[in-house]
Amino acid sequence: SQQGEEDPQALSIQEGENATMNCSYKTSINNLQWYRQNSGRGLVHLILIRSNEREKHSGRLRVTLDTSKKSSSLLITASRAADTASYFCATETGGFKTIFGAGTRLFVKA
Amino acid sequence: DTEVTQTPKHLVMGMTNKKSLKCEQHMGHRAMYWYKQKAKKPPELMFVYSYEKLSINESVPSRFSPECPNSSLLNLHLHALQPEDSALYLCASSQTGTQKKGMNTEAFFGQGTRLTVV
Repeated sequence: SQQGEEDPQALSIQEGENATMNCSYKTSINNLQWYRQNSGRGLVHLILIRSNEREKHSGRLRVTLDTSKKSSSLLITASRAADTASYFCATETGGFKTIFGAGTRLFVKA
Repeated sequence: DTEVTQTPKHLVMGMTNKKSLKCEQHMGHRAMYWYKQKAKKPPELMFVYSYEKLSINESVPSRFSPECPNSSLLNLHLHALQPEDSALYLCASSQTGTQKKGMNTEAFFGQGTRLTVV
């Protein structure tokens, strides 16, 4: 079962531009995580934000969480060609149940 | 060592075959997961083991049989699969944290096993 939706489904930008991806979810959560996946390989954890946090930064990544709107956004600043990948949000609702959103496919042109 | 190792990387099996996927981690994580991912879709949760006990089965057909022989290993036994079961199967592990406080931490994923059922 899929917890939420992400938009856009696909995003194409030039190197150096910022990329913003949004995630919406349906039920109350303990935390929300963002992952990156390159070409159908394993997922790499990027950042985790807990339900009582509103914003978090990690390097070029900025994540916001609005629990009243059940939504989150991931901002990648100064994008690089190496950022080309699929990005997924994942919500943990308790008892280790972590459900992934549909994902955004990001393409960064050099 | 922050690696989750999955074997094999690729597997082709017939519908009457029996095969197993293996997953190993040495990070001391006591939660381990199996996910199934079809092309251009998100990973779908199949099973969760917590302290070597099955805690979540997302209504997965019985032709998939998970096993957690010890805290480092997770297997997925496959039998009588269908062509539509062809997918990337991902294993992951995480610390258990404190469930009530929602302190579960990041999950570490293996590179997956690309399964083709013919």
